[in-house]
Amino acid sequence: EDQVTQSPEALRLQEGESSSLNCSYTVSGLRGLFWYRQDPGKGPEFLFTLYSAGEEKEKERLKATLTKKESFLHITAPKPEDSATYLCAVWVQGAQKLVFGQGTRLTINP
Amino acid sequence: DGGITQSPKYLFRKEGQNVTLSCEQNLNHDAMYWYRQDPGQGLRLIYYSQIVNDFQKGDIAEGYSVSREKKESFPLTVTSAQKNPTAFYLCASTLRGQLRGQPQHFGDGTRLSIL
Repeated sequence: EDQVTQSPEALRLQEGESSSLNCSYTVSGLRGLFWYRQDPGKGPEFLFTLYSAGEEKEKERLKATLTKKESFLHITAPKPEDSATYLCAVWVQGAQKLVFGQGTRLTINP
Repeated sequence: DGGITQSPKYLFRKEGQNVTLSCEQNLNHDAMYWYRQDPGQGLRLIYYSQIVNDFQKGDIAEGYSVSREKKESFPLTVTSAQKNPTAFYLCASTLRGQLRGQPQHFGDGTRLSIL
């Protein structure tokens, strides 16, 4: 069964304290891995797409990386405005759908 | 600006009542999706549509119905058969027919509660 697991479920950091979020996946045929940011009461906002192992994407303080089994979202020197839930999803070959992880709730304290 | 509009933002359902959630997009996307999000859980797929007048059940379709009469619109009806409808409902759209998966773009959701 196709499965996506994110860890940790919740993470509290101090402003400026760098860390990483993990997304591990077990799918029959990966056709893309996606990272989203979701603020409370809002829809997910697209951040990155990764297609092959070794690929990296960066945007401001965020950097996403991909291996054959997992993806990491690295956050460098975070600010309070980076507080949100970060969702990972994979597009599965033949399934015509995204499979989502349960998300990591990130809180950055000033 | 192109995007996805969901309405209403908040909706209340009485026992035995059907309610319809609206989703409109002006991104010229072919495929549209409906998800349900419960606290602490990931998004679960209810229904999706690849083209007009065609749609498929997702993982949790029971108690829901959809239609796709226009490319821009994909309304979701929560029927009285759905016994636990309280949730945050998200609509998404994407391009189809691509060799690689394309990101889905989301609306800002409708929060449905039981009166």
